[in-house]
Amino acid sequence: GNSVTQMEGPVTLSEEAFLTINCTYTATGYPSLFWYVQYPGEGLQLLLKATKADDKGSNKGFEATYRKETTSFHLEKGSVQVSDSAVYFCAQAYAGGTSYGKLTFGQGTILTVHP
Amino acid sequence: KAGVTQTPRYLIKTRGQQVTLSCSPISGHRSVSWYQQTPGQGLQFLFEYFSETQRNKGNFPGRFSGRQFSNSRSEMNVSTLELGDSALYLCASSLDLRQGVGHEQYFGPGTRLTVT
Repeated sequence: GNSVTQMEGPVTLSEEAFLTINCTYTATGYPSLFWYVQYPGEGLQLLLKATKADDKGSNKGFEATYRKETTSFHLEKGSVQVSDSAVYFCAQAYAGGTSYGKLTFGQGTILTVHP
Repeated sequence: KAGVTQTPRYLIKTRGQQVTLSCSPISGHRSVSWYQQTPGQGLQFLFEYFSETQRNKGNFPGRFSGRQFSNSRSEMNVSTLELGDSALYLCASSLDLRQGVGHEQYFGPGTRLTVT
C-alpha cells in the first residue's frame, strides 16, 4: 500500500544550524505531498505543499521539492531557530476514488533546537 | 477566518462508555476528515465526510462512527470504549476536492480522550 517514511528522530540542533528531514514515499501514481508541523498541545499546521513533480513548496524559511525520480520530499531550512522546535510530519494524498479526504502520514520527526 | 474548532478539548471516560466529539470546519469547507493520533500508531485516518455522506473510511472497528450535518459540522462517536481508544482525535477540513488538486487539510486542536 501507499506509505510515507521519515528519517528517525529525534533531531537536535543548535540555533542557526542547517536542517534536513528526509521523507520518502511509496505510491502508485502522483500524490500531492505535504509537510505539517505540530507544536506541543496543538493540532497540525500545514507548513508547505507540492502537488506535482519538481514543484517546490516553501514557507517561513522551510523548503521541500517534489522529486518523482527519487520519490522524495525532504524538508530543509537554512538556519533554524529555537521556535522551530516541534514535531514534523510528512504526508501524501491522492485525489478522489477510495482516497477521499485521506492523508497518509509518516511517523513524525521530533526537532529540538538549542540556543 | 476562524479555524477548525473541536469540542471538548479534553475528556475522561470509563471503559464501556460511549463518547461523542464535535468538529466545526472552516467556513466554506465541505469536507471533514477525522484522525486518531497515538504514540504507538501515529496518525491514522478514521473517515471522511462530504455533503453529509461518508466517502471514505479507514481501518477501524464499527465502534467508531461519524456523521456530518447540513452546515458541514461533524461529529464522531466511539461506543463501548476500550483503554486503547485513549488518543488525541483530530478533525481536519478542506475544500471540495473533486478537482483533484490540493488536498490540503486544516486541522483543529484536537480532543484528548483518556479512557480509564
